[in-house]
Amino acid sequence: QKEVEQNSGPLSVPEGAIASLNCTYSDRGSQSFFWYRQYSGKSPELIMFIYSNGDKEDGRFTAQLNKASQYVSLLIRDSQPSDSATYLCAVPTSGGSYIPTFGRGTSLIVHP
Amino acid sequence: DGGITQSPKYLFRKEGQNVTLSCEQNLNHDAMYWYRQDPGQGLRLIYYSQIVNDFQKGDIAEGYSVSREKKESFPLTVTSAQKNPTAFYLCASSIGTPQGDEQFFGPGTRLTVL
Repeated sequence: QKEVEQNSGPLSVPEGAIASLNCTYSDRGSQSFFWYRQYSGKSPELIMFIYSNGDKEDGRFTAQLNKASQYVSLLIRDSQPSDSATYLCAVPTSGGSYIPTFGRGTSLIVHP
Repeated sequence: DGGITQSPKYLFRKEGQNVTLSCEQNLNHDAMYWYRQDPGQGLRLIYYSQIVNDFQKGDIAEGYSVSREKKESFPLTVTSAQKNPTAFYLCASSIGTPQGDEQFFGPGTRLTVL
């Protein structure tokens, strides 16, 4: 059973701070990693994906991947109250089936 | 506009009834998925389909059934054998590349057993 682990939180940060969300995975063969944001009562939407070791930046979001240590993280700079949501890490399994395993998600609260 | 639609948004079921949740996509995606989400939980895979007329069980398929007769449609039936069906059901689709790709989600159906 492939596992994807996230701290459920809630992670509470003040407005303007950096929020750091972490995800570890068990499948060493995984090649791609996805972060989804889910507002309460809504469906998930993709905010970042990363394939290579290192950092990938998109606006206020940075994804960091370390395959040797099997973790991927998401940094949100200048956090806004509108960033308050649950962030889901998804890791497709290796072996060609590409079916993602989702973590339980981390709840982020950005307070003014 | 391309996207995924699910209906109904809310569904109430009496015990012993079968109900069918609709999922339609016009993104021309090969792969489609059904997930179940319980409060405070992540997404758990029920069934997935990589191509028309073929589908595979996910982690929690017991008590559910699907069909994939058309590329655009992937309906999910929640049968009376599913003992605890109250949950938020999400349908998704993706292109279907071997290393994994972005999933596009529908708005979800919230099923409640009375």
